[in-house]
Amino acid sequence: EAGVTQSPTHLIKTRGQQATLRCSPISGHTSVYWYQQALGLALQFLLWYDEGEERNRGNFPPRFSGRQFPNYSSELNVNALELEDSALYLCASSWWGRGAFFGQGTRLTVV
Amino acid sequence: KNQVEQSPQSLIILEGKNCTLQCNYTVSPFSNLRWYKQDTGRGPVSLTIMTFSENTKSNGRYTATLDADTKQSSLHITASQLSDSASYICVVSDTNAGKSTFGDGTTLTVKP
Repeated sequence: EAGVTQSPTHLIKTRGQQATLRCSPISGHTSVYWYQQALGLALQFLLWYDEGEERNRGNFPPRFSGRQFPNYSSELNVNALELEDSALYLCASSWWGRGAFFGQGTRLTVV
Repeated sequence: KNQVEQSPQSLIILEGKNCTLQCNYTVSPFSNLRWYKQDTGRGPVSLTIMTFSENTKSNGRYTATLDADTKQSSLHITASQLSDSASYICVVSDTNAGKSTFGDGTTLTVKP
């Protein structure tokens, strides 16, 4: 089966700009999770979407937002980028009985 | 509230030595538990999945155990290699569709 795909692989933005990251879950998976991982640090939970709705949100400011589309793909939007937003952003999809699968991530660099 | 706690947070061992990573969870009702290996800057890759009825599962030098009664899992790495240096993440899913709880991970460093 095709895995979780994230795009773009790398993204370079200027401070103050907006970034949009995309995630396509494994076919049939209804849940999508977004995580931020700064270099060398643990995963930080951002958002959880299931069946098109936001189910849970991590301790991040409102400029981090997202949505899930009817086909269960998801977007993560980061507005007013700050230098400390530079990180690897991981998406995972899951469905009961199989657990979660991760994408390869989007490396966001804010300069 | 569902929680997954991993220990230790970080670990340094010498090449060739064995080590054991721990994952304790409160997720209920339990469906499955996955261990992932994440190389720096890469997406996590699944090592093994444990279901309720499985006590032990091996993948090469990696052996995962599950005690569903105590809600504990361990990942044992035998004869460690430098390439085992990575973060190891435990993710537990419940039987509610799509609900997974992620651990913070254990960072393993293998030194020559």
